[in-house]
Amino acid sequence: QSALTQPASVSGSPGQSITISCTGTSSDVGGYNYVSWYQHHPGKGPKLLIYEVTNRPSGVSNRFSASKSGNTASLTITGLQAEDEADYYCGSYTTMYTIAVFGTGTKVTVL
Amino acid sequence: QLQLQESGPGLVKPSETMSLTCTVSGGSISTDNYYWAWIRQPPGKGLEWIGSISYTGTTYYTPSLKSRVTMSVATSNNQFSLKLSSVTAADTAVYHCARHCPFKGVVNLRQQLARGNFDYWGQGALVTVSS
Repeated sequence: QSALTQPASVSGSPGQSITISCTGTSSDVGGYNYVSWYQHHPGKGPKLLIYEVTNRPSGVSNRFSASKSGNTASLTITGLQAEDEADYYCGSYTTMYTIAVFGTGTKVTVL
Repeated sequence: QLQLQESGPGLVKPSETMSLTCTVSGGSISTDNYYWAWIRQPPGKGLEWIGSISYTGTTYYTPSLKSRVTMSVATSNNQFSLKLSSVTAADTAVYHCARHCPFKGVVNLRQQLARGNFDYWGQGALVTVSS
């Protein structure tokens, strides 16, 4: 199945802001407002950061924000911290044959 | 705080059937509000949704694995399970169990799940397929 496209890696210095993109098609990201974002520290379970494009679950830092334009969704981390170093995945509703599709994943490195 | 923990053999031979169990604590699996999912991550690759099950046993599977996947639920133990038959090296992955939170704004259940998200995850269990 086709995954959503994310950059393999993004890096930034502490305190900076970074943005991770998630590109799909009109059949998924572009056509519907059901994009989610997950943070994954290796060896731990992924954590839901964002759902329905822009919504943060209770307890998620407001340093994490997200948006969508056309077929591309974006996750922005402001005030980058060492603990933000992790893998990040987007997910989206899709009209294709499966119920859930995820992005290829982005490794965030804090310099 | 809801917690999910995967368990099962870490090594399976090619052509055999792998089995994993997810034990849920801090909350009941017997709720109409959520489904329970399996998601895997092959080494160096991204996440792949395998399937989701309700506490009553209603299942949804990804088409590419549907012929080999069986999910079941044991409400008395607050557990749900995954079986994947005829495994090959391509099935080597970290397998996560997760709570599948449906979007309640539509009537159709499949659409609720497709529009939903995965709000609690287990840390994952590595399953290696090798002789």
